[in-house]
Amino acid sequence: DAGITQSPRHKVTETGTPVTLRCHQTENHRYMYWYRQDPGHGLRLIHYSYGVKDTDKGEVSDGYSVSRSKTEDFLLTLESATSSQTSVYFCAISGTEGNGELFFGEGSRLTVL
Amino acid sequence: SQQGEEDPQALSIQEGENATMNCSYKTSINNLQWYRQNSGRGLVHLILIRSNEREKHSGRLRVTLDTSKKSSSLLITASRAADTASYFCATALRSNDYKLSFGAGTTVTVRA
Repeated sequence: DAGITQSPRHKVTETGTPVTLRCHQTENHRYMYWYRQDPGHGLRLIHYSYGVKDTDKGEVSDGYSVSRSKTEDFLLTLESATSSQTSVYFCAISGTEGNGELFFGEGSRLTVL
Repeated sequence: SQQGEEDPQALSIQEGENATMNCSYKTSINNLQWYRQNSGRGLVHLILIRSNEREKHSGRLRVTLDTSKKSSSLLITASRAADTASYFCATALRSNDYKLSFGAGTTVTVRA
């Protein structure tokens, strides 16, 4: 199994609070991604990174920010959580040059009350 | 919007039968990938087929790609209870792009 750890795995928070999800990899892969999974929508890309300090937006980036200060860590921050951000968040990594095979973490289930 | 869409949304078969699911996409692709997700787990990569390939096999999996119809199919032969999962297609666009776009998935239930 690819060395990807997501934390926390479960979190319940209240509307308006900040939340940070962490993705940690031990594979030294260049590309890292944050997806959210909701019923009926499959996985939708939030943000991705193609190197340290190099990040870009995905299709559902509003309300989210990311940071990657070192190769192994990719942080997803919800500055002020809303109920619409209740979801399961998946981190993925890839070592190949663009659009190759992704390795996924086990997911972080976030509930915003 | 999603690039790929799977059909059917759900599929129930008897153990030993074959399962076929389809994926249609909208724009030209560099490659198409299939992933499996067991309940409560992350996605696992199954197979990647490039735009210049028409068919690929991996164990009991067979994937076809028809770029003229912008569609792909995943066939699981001789299904087992352990094949019960959701299956997703993901497309990588032809442009210099680091992103994969996923469909909503097909949920497969294999009955013993």
